[in-house]
Amino acid sequence: EAGVAQSPRYKIIEKRQSVAFWCNPISGHATLYWYQQILGQGPKLLIQFQNNGVVDDSQLPKDRFSAERLKGVDSTLKIQPAKLEDSAVYLCASSLEGIANTGELFFGEGSRLTVL
Amino acid sequence: DAKTTQPPSMDCAEGRAANLPCNHSTISGNEYVYWYRQIHSQGPQYIIHGLKNNETNEMASLIITEDRKSSTLILPHATLRDTAVYYCIVRGTGNQFYFGTGTSLTVIP
Repeated sequence: EAGVAQSPRYKIIEKRQSVAFWCNPISGHATLYWYQQILGQGPKLLIQFQNNGVVDDSQLPKDRFSAERLKGVDSTLKIQPAKLEDSAVYLCASSLEGIANTGELFFGEGSRLTVL
Repeated sequence: DAKTTQPPSMDCAEGRAANLPCNHSTISGNEYVYWYRQIHSQGPQYIIHGLKNNETNEMASLIITEDRKSSTLILPHATLRDTAVYYCIVRGTGNQFYFGTGTSLTVIP
């Protein structure tokens, strides 16, 4: 079974530029999460999708961050314009819903962003 | 927001049991406790979860107190590969997973 796919793995941009990250969850997983992990800190939940609907985006900085999951499968997280403090690893995770759901999250390898 | 409190770091001798504590005093009756670990430069990995009863799998054991206000993750025979950051998480009713700062476990040869 293929895992959660993320791209790009690494991205370096200058402040005020824009960047987009892509995530393809495990097939059949209805719930998709985007996390931001700054060096030395735990992952911070940015947004949670259930199919193509947003369940929780309370910690998403909406003035510069946006995310979509139009067809309920893959998802894109965009930052525009980027700030120095956005330097972090962006982790995507997915989970299976339904009666057999243990709630286990499956994480991708992450996309490391450096803002100069 | 994270609902758990963990010590920032712990050491454990190789081959000994590692006992990682977690406080979750505001947990609700239907909220599960999850444990994940993160090895450097990798995404977090699921270890175990539980609601009320103690749980055991091939990786670890989870002991939850009767009042459910705290729990302990037990790695029965720690190896060097168990060196990682361990996160205790209370899963929200909307399937939200809020990570705290975790415990950095170092297994010493």
